Amino acid sequence: SQTIHQWPATLVQPVGSPLSLECTVEGTSNPNLYWYRQAAGRGLQLLFYSVGIGQISSEVPQNLSASRPQDRQFILSSKKLLLSDSGFYLCAWSTRRREKLFFGSGTQLSVL
Amino acid sequence: EDQVTQSPEALRLQEGESSSLNCSYTVSGLRGLFWYRQDPGKGPEFLFTLYSAGEEKEKERLKATLTKKESFLHITAPKPEDSATYLCAVLYSGAGSYQLTFGKGTKLSVIP
Repeated sequence: SQTIHQWPATLVQPVGSPLSLECTVEGTSNPNLYWYRQAAGRGLQLLFYSVGIGQISSEVPQNLSASRPQDRQFILSSKKLLLSDSGFYLCAWSTRRREKLFFGSGTQLSVL
Repeated sequence: EDQVTQSPEALRLQEGESSSLNCSYTVSGLRGLFWYRQDPGKGPEFLFTLYSAGEEKEKERLKATLTKKESFLHITAPKPEDSATYLCAVLYSGAGSYQLTFGKGTKLSVIP
């Protein structure tokens, strides 16, 4: 069966520090991979998605970047965090047909 | 204007008191409508996919239905463990590709 791992679960970082969140998927090949951010009172906001190694599409211009160094690994990064980067970050995967998304357990990021 | 609107924002039910959550959408070219359950501090968990008007899906105390412009998630005789935020998402054809948009969710509280 397929599983998705996302870490860390919580993270407190000072403004201006770098960020690296990692997500890995097991039990499937060639998944579509996604990074979402969820803010209180707002819907899930798609940040990045990837259909293959090295292929990244950005949905929202911002202080973040994503990379996919391996087929089942997706990384969300920032060189310098802003206060506005605080939020709940979710990694997800789907098959090519995009019939449904499977989410990781999320990372609560607090930038202070 | 939101393309996917969920109502109510919050719903408080007594245990055993049946009710329905609503998800209305304004997009055209629907490819699928998805329901998810999200517990606090966790990633959304997939519940149902509906593809066409008239379709229904059931799982334990939950039943999802779909019309041309909205979907309902019916909860029959809810229990406290059904307390969660329920999200709907719409996959549709737009801008030459598929777009997936989430609603902001309905927070359900079931009181013993």
